[in-house]
Amino acid sequence: GQQLNQSPQSMFIQEGEDVSMNCTSSSIFNTWLWYKQDPGEGPVLLIALYKAGELTSNGRLTAQFGITRKDSFLNISASIPSDVGIYFCAGRNSGGSNYKLTFGKGTLLTVNP
Amino acid sequence: NAGVTQTPKFQVLKTGQSMTLQCAQDMNHNSMYWYRQDPGMGLRLIYYSASEGTTDKGEVPNGYNVSRLNKREFSLRLESAAPSQTSVYFCASRDPGGFFNEQYFGPGTRLTVT
Repeated sequence: GQQLNQSPQSMFIQEGEDVSMNCTSSSIFNTWLWYKQDPGEGPVLLIALYKAGELTSNGRLTAQFGITRKDSFLNISASIPSDVGIYFCAGRNSGGSNYKLTFGKGTLLTVNP
Repeated sequence: NAGVTQTPKFQVLKTGQSMTLQCAQDMNHNSMYWYRQDPGMGLRLIYYSASEGTTDKGEVPNGYNVSRLNKREFSLRLESAAPSQTSVYFCASRDPGGFFNEQYFGPGTRLTVT
């Protein structure tokens, strides 16, 4: 099956620093999504990308859909303690009614106040 | 509007026992999904239901069955639980007409099989 390689696996940063993480795929996706999961909770959608080359922001978060359609990155600027959590990328390459997603293994972010 | 709700939140089973995980959404979503999350593995799709009355296998369906009871509810059943099914289970639903048109997740059920 399809696989997403998400890196880094974990990051430990100081409050105020910028963060960058990325996902690469062995195959093409036509949608990239970024989710955040807080401890003990379900994933929450942060950003959705639907066009190759698209750059989208949500507050301090910025994500891009790679031109090759095989990668995406997420940047967090000026990190704060509540950014702590696991960040997942997810890709989709089929339309129709099923909308199945393939998830990366996650990046665990720790922010030191 | 509670979104996606899951019960129970925690469960401990002995090997061979059966149980049903419940999921309900109040957002009038057509599609619903069951995932499992294991450490370092991300989320893997078990089963999904594109619409009321239909269900299909995902990536890891073995050992599970599902029922789409109505548009609101999608249950996951373990007929004979095994230690390998120890995991966190998430239900999700998708909004066909929403701004993002993507999957929204419940809070999860943490299952331990001893």
